[in-house]
Amino acid sequence: KQEVTQIPAALSVPEGENLVLNCSFTDSAIYNLQWFRQDPGKGLTSLLLIQSSQREQTSGRLNASLDKSSGRSTLYIAASQPGDSATYLCAVNQAGTALIFGKGTTLSVSS
Amino acid sequence: SAVISQKPSRDICQRGTSLTIQCQVDSQVTMMFWYRQQPGQSLTLIATANQGSEATYESGFVIDKFPISRPNLTFSTLTVSNMSPEDSSIYLCSVEGQNNEKLFFGSGTQLSVL
Repeated sequence: KQEVTQIPAALSVPEGENLVLNCSFTDSAIYNLQWFRQDPGKGLTSLLLIQSSQREQTSGRLNASLDKSSGRSTLYIAASQPGDSATYLCAVNQAGTALIFGKGTTLSVSS
Repeated sequence: SAVISQKPSRDICQRGTSLTIQCQVDSQVTMMFWYRQQPGQSLTLIATANQGSEATYESGFVIDKFPISRPNLTFSTLTVSNMSPEDSSIYLCSVEGQNNEKLFFGSGTQLSVL
């Protein structure tokens, strides 16, 4: 059974810091891995999608990497801003199942 | 935390028919969200359903195609109407925990339209 783990559960940093969020999964037979952002009252926003054949994806200050063989992904946020404060969710997509999510990392960026 | 029961878990439907997906939560929640994930694509929000008011649809989604009911604070349905093969997707119901906690998701409905 696929399990997705995210570390740390919570993170507080001052504005301007670069930071890394970690995601690990137990079964490497995935189609893709996604990083989402959750803002209170606004549902879920998809940030980056990495196909199983890809190693990384970039969008603005965000860079997500995927090492399928080791069952790991990282989300790198450069030059963090208070507006980055949110919960970040990692999820994997396997054949025949809906998304399997980690429990998220709650990020707080102070000004 | 919230426990969400979503059904059916999967279905295979004929073109032109409609399917109603149910989402039951074990606690009262204000906001419920319906998402779609098409094959190989990221998750897309279809609409936000608040009890006592009409659902708010995201760009590209309309009520005639995806009517939503929200009769009380623990239940919602999403109907996929007049289906075509392009509607083949995973449909997910989610709710927000108390005090704007993390989202909780149903197990999803895998829909295949022939």
